[in-house]
Amino acid sequence: ETGVTQTPRHLVMGMTNKKSLKCEQHLGHNAMYWYKQSAKKPLELMFVYNFKEQTENNSVPSRFSPECPNSSHLFLHLHTLQPEDSALYLCASSPRVEDSGFYEQYFGPGTRLTVT
Amino acid sequence: AQKVTQAQTEISVVEKEDVTLDCVYETRDTTYYLFWYKQPPSGELVFLIRRNSFDEQNEISGRYSWNFQKSTSSFNFTITASQVVDSAVYFCALSNAGKSTFGDGTTLTVKP
Repeated sequence: ETGVTQTPRHLVMGMTNKKSLKCEQHLGHNAMYWYKQSAKKPLELMFVYNFKEQTENNSVPSRFSPECPNSSHLFLHLHTLQPEDSALYLCASSPRVEDSGFYEQYFGPGTRLTVT
Repeated sequence: AQKVTQAQTEISVVEKEDVTLDCVYETRDTTYYLFWYKQPPSGELVFLIRRNSFDEQNEISGRYSWNFQKSTSSFNFTITASQVVDSAVYFCALSNAGKSTFGDGTTLTVKP
C-alpha cells in the first residue's frame, strides 16, 4: 500500500464515547499533521509532529489527544466530543518540517466524523 | 503572522471555458513557498504545484498555468478549456518558518 491511509473512513460516535482515528504513511516521511475540515473553517491545522516530536498544537481542546509512536503512524484519540466537532479529519505527511517550508504535504482521504 | 486569501468562495463555469482562481497572500518573510492543492469529492487533497519566493517565472502544465506576482502578493491559477473532472475545491497555501497556512478554498463547478 502506498501514500497516506486513514481509518476508519467514516465514524459516528456519541458524546460520551472514546474512539481513535488512525493515520499511516508509506512514504518514508518524518513529519505528520492533523487537520480539521468543516464548513465553517475549511482547513484548520490541529497538530504537527516532526521526527515523532510534537512541534505544534494549534490551541486544540484537550478532548483531542494526538499520539505519534513512530514516524509512520499518527493517531488522534477522541473523548467526550461535542456535536460541533463533526467534520472531516485529514492526516498529511511531508519529508520533514523545516524552516523554509519547502516541502509539499501528502494527504490521506480523511475520516468523516459525526458526533451525535 | 501570515495569511492567505482566496476571495472567490464558489465559481461555476461551463465546460471548455477558461477560469482563474485568485490567491493573495501576506507574509513578512522574504523566503517562503506557495502551493496549490486540489481536493476532489473523494476528500484527499492533491498537490499541484510549488513555487518559491525567488522564482517569479510563470508555469504551464497542460491546461493548468500559474501566475506568480510578488509585487501584488498574488499566485493565481488558471485552468484553460475546463473539463467536468476539474470540479473540486482548490486550496492555495503559504509555507515558511515551518508553518503552512491554507486559504479557505475555492469550490469550482464545471458544468457539461
